[in-house]
Amino acid sequence: AQRVTQPEKLLSVFKGAPVELKCNYSYSGSPELFWYVQYSRQRLQLLLRHISRESIKGFTADLNKGETSFHLKKPFAQEEDSAMYYCAPLPTDSWGKLQFGAGTQVVVTP
Amino acid sequence: GAGVSQTPSNKVTEKGKYVELRCDPISGHTALYWYRQSLGQGPEFLIYFQGTGAADDSGLPNDRFFAVRPEGSVSTLKIQRTERGDSAVYLCASSSQRGPQETQYFGPGTRLLVL
Repeated sequence: AQRVTQPEKLLSVFKGAPVELKCNYSYSGSPELFWYVQYSRQRLQLLLRHISRESIKGFTADLNKGETSFHLKKPFAQEEDSAMYYCAPLPTDSWGKLQFGAGTQVVVTP
Repeated sequence: GAGVSQTPSNKVTEKGKYVELRCDPISGHTALYWYRQSLGQGPEFLIYFQGTGAADDSGLPNDRFFAVRPEGSVSTLKIQRTERGDSAVYLCASSSQRGPQETQYFGPGTRLLVL
């Protein structure tokens, strides 16, 4: 069965410390991978996608096909990074049908 | 420009009643999605429209749920004989293309509470 796991419900880090959000997936084939973010009182929005190999707001995500993981990292967390983060694999045989993990709440304290 | 809008923002109803939730996508977006987000969970796919037709309704939990998009723009999610377990935030998203470069733009959601 297709499954995406975000093992941490809550991550609390100090400003300036590194932060890593874990995402593991179990899918047939090779899905595309996304991270979505929801800031307080804002809409869910795309943070970054694997295919673009981009760094957004200092975040990067590394795909490890062997471990089927797509962890999100930032070397120096900022207070404005406090938000809910969702890993979302996208099966390539059903474009658009995002399948979200349960999410990780990140709290960055000064 | 205007983003995806959803009405109402909150809906309280009684068990057994019928509800309609509306989504206005970004103008020109041909793809429209409905998701349901229960407390403590990520959004769960319900249905996808390409234009006027439902291209994938595999996420609808049962036949009490139905959605339409008659003119290829606004969509309405309809829930018959509501149950307490239907309480959730219902999210709508739209996009202009499909594939790995697709970006889904989400609305603010409708929070449904079934008493």
